Amino acid sequence: GAVVSQHPSRVICKSGTSVKIECRSLDFQATTMFWYRQFPKKSLMLMATSNEGSKATYEQGVEKDKFLINHASLTLSTLTVTSAHPEDSSFYICSARAPGTRSNEQFFGPGTRLTVL
Amino acid sequence: QKEVEQNSGPLSVPEGAIASLNCTYSDRVSQSFFWYRQYSGKSPELIMSIYSNGDKEDGRFTAQLNKASQYVSLLIRDSQPSDSATYLCAVNMKDNFNKFYFGSGTKLNVKP
Repeated sequence: GAVVSQHPSRVICKSGTSVKIECRSLDFQATTMFWYRQFPKKSLMLMATSNEGSKATYEQGVEKDKFLINHASLTLSTLTVTSAHPEDSSFYICSARAPGTRSNEQFFGPGTRLTVL
Repeated sequence: QKEVEQNSGPLSVPEGAIASLNCTYSDRVSQSFFWYRQYSGKSPELIMSIYSNGDKEDGRFTAQLNKASQYVSLLIRDSQPSDSATYLCAVNMKDNFNKFYFGSGTKLNVKP
């Protein structure tokens, strides 16, 4: 399967600061990436679809000004949590579609655990 | 009604037994169906995808899809303690090839 990396794997920050999470597709180009959030013992919730060279598409209820997404290249999408608050503490996971096929299988990065104090 | 529903479990099976995991979905989503395995604290790992009615086998795993009854299942033969994880069912929306809905997951415990 396709390999997707994320950085950092874990971050602890103070309330009010901004945190940037990187998602990279390794050895393949991903015109579309996806950002999910997962709270403890809950399922994955799609936050937004990141499109290379254009604006991200946000799901209902997700604040686009709080969760800034930039997909500047075919291998990198970033999610910036601005003015983070304790309720933003969660497991953030990105995914990308399998390259070179018509399949819509998605492969996930290892995730970033964000803790806001 | 949620788009994708799973029994949260835990489902406990002895080592070597067959584990059967089930998932139902609403008629607003269809087309592509996936099973992911998620270990505690880790991200989901794709196990199987299935697109048409019937069975699809891959090693110890078999996915079964019944579109008429709107359910998809995953069978794990010869269950191993290393199979203990949460299994997530994912279904894409009928009008959006890329948008997935995930079930809440079923926790599987395989006892040695």
